[in-house]
Amino acid sequence: ELKVEQNPLFLSMQEGKNYTIYCNYSTTSDRLYWYRQDPGKSLESLFVLLSNGAVKQEGRLMASLDTKARLSTLHITAAVHDLSATYFCAENSGGSNYKLTFGKGTLLTVNP
Amino acid sequence: ETGVTQTPRHLVMGMTNKKSLKCEQHLGHNAMYWYKQSAKKPLELMFVYNFKEQTENNSVPSRFSPECPNSSHLFLHLHTLQPEDSALYLCASSQFGGNIQYFGAGTRLSVL
Repeated sequence: ELKVEQNPLFLSMQEGKNYTIYCNYSTTSDRLYWYRQDPGKSLESLFVLLSNGAVKQEGRLMASLDTKARLSTLHITAAVHDLSATYFCAENSGGSNYKLTFGKGTLLTVNP
Repeated sequence: ETGVTQTPRHLVMGMTNKKSLKCEQHLGHNAMYWYKQSAKKPLELMFVYNFKEQTENNSVPSRFSPECPNSSHLFLHLHTLQPEDSALYLCASSQFGGNIQYFGAGTRLSVL
């Protein structure tokens, strides 16, 4: 069974702090996605990581991929309230380019 | 309009009703998807259409019937649903084999 496991599932942090969300996956896929979802809104694509060692950064978020460890991380630097949302990782499954398997999501709350 | 649009945003139906969800994408993509998002569960892929042809049915009960008349429109016809079918139904589109799926805001369905 294909699995994508995120942790933590709930994260409450103070503004200005750093933290990392972890995403472990069970297949040999080398393509990993991060999405953000605000309450009542659609999923917004943040990053696509296509190869081992890939690192991408956008603002206070940085994502990385280690295909050997089957691990991706989403690092948050100096968090601000606007980053409060649910973050999902997803990976290609079934050997196809279109079928995504999602983690349960990490609900991030950034407090003043 | 831009992106992926879903209607209605909210739907309440009885177990004997028949209703339809609509999705329209304005991105020129050729693949469209239906996902189910339930509380405390990962996003579940339901159906995939590529160039109007169904390429994936993820063991979805027959009370859910998809329809894709063209690459821009996708419907999900609902009949004799169960209370456990209450969830957020998300539509997405992409280039088939492409990296990123773009999501609509979803239809929040409640089955009474």
